[in-house]
Amino acid sequence: EPEVTQTPSHQVTQMGQEVILRCVPISNHLYFYWYRQILGQKVEFLVSFYNNEISEKSEIFDDQFSVERPDGSNFTLKIRSTKLEDSAMYFCASTSDAGVPGETQYFGPGTRLLVL
Amino acid sequence: KNQVEQSPQSLIILEGKNCTLQCNYTVSPFSNLRWYKQDTGRGPVSLTIMTFSENTKSNGRYTATLDADTKQSSLHITASQLSDSASYICVVDPSSSASKIIFGSGTRLSIRP
Repeated sequence: EPEVTQTPSHQVTQMGQEVILRCVPISNHLYFYWYRQILGQKVEFLVSFYNNEISEKSEIFDDQFSVERPDGSNFTLKIRSTKLEDSAMYFCASTSDAGVPGETQYFGPGTRLLVL
Repeated sequence: KNQVEQSPQSLIILEGKNCTLQCNYTVSPFSNLRWYKQDTGRGPVSLTIMTFSENTKSNGRYTATLDADTKQSSLHITASQLSDSASYICVVDPSSSASKIIFGSGTRLSIRP
């Protein structure tokens, strides 16, 4: 069964450093998402991406964050100048058609980011 | 304010027993409701998706119900297995808009042998 993959599985970084989290969505999917889950808290929406541009973003997704799909397969989340509070599990997800109610969203296994 | 509340927060049952997890929501409008299973340290995996016109959906030993009038949903697990130990998250999508999707806090289910 096709699946969303994410690398790395774990990332430890120093406060103020930049990190890039990578995702390979399911190959025929068109809509891509990043979510984060701070330890012990709810999953939170960050951003959605379609047709090589951001569709929607949450208040969390400020200028510190950026996304791109550099080569048609990878979907990346860049966090500039990381802060302690950026420590969380970051999930990538994809779906084939976001406009269809009930369309299944497939999540990757996540990248656990720890900012020291 | 749109909210999704799940109960209980945690639950421990013996292997082979059934259990029911609850989800109450105050989200409006409403497009669909999803139940996800999330193993520790892993991404959520979709179990069921119900639109407002559906009131039950099954996926193997998982059966979800939806009462759009009372804005309640439940996830029933029959003949529980050790591998069912996970968090179960109720997610309400008000309008097929990704930014509006609301995740519940989840119920942490532990199955004991």
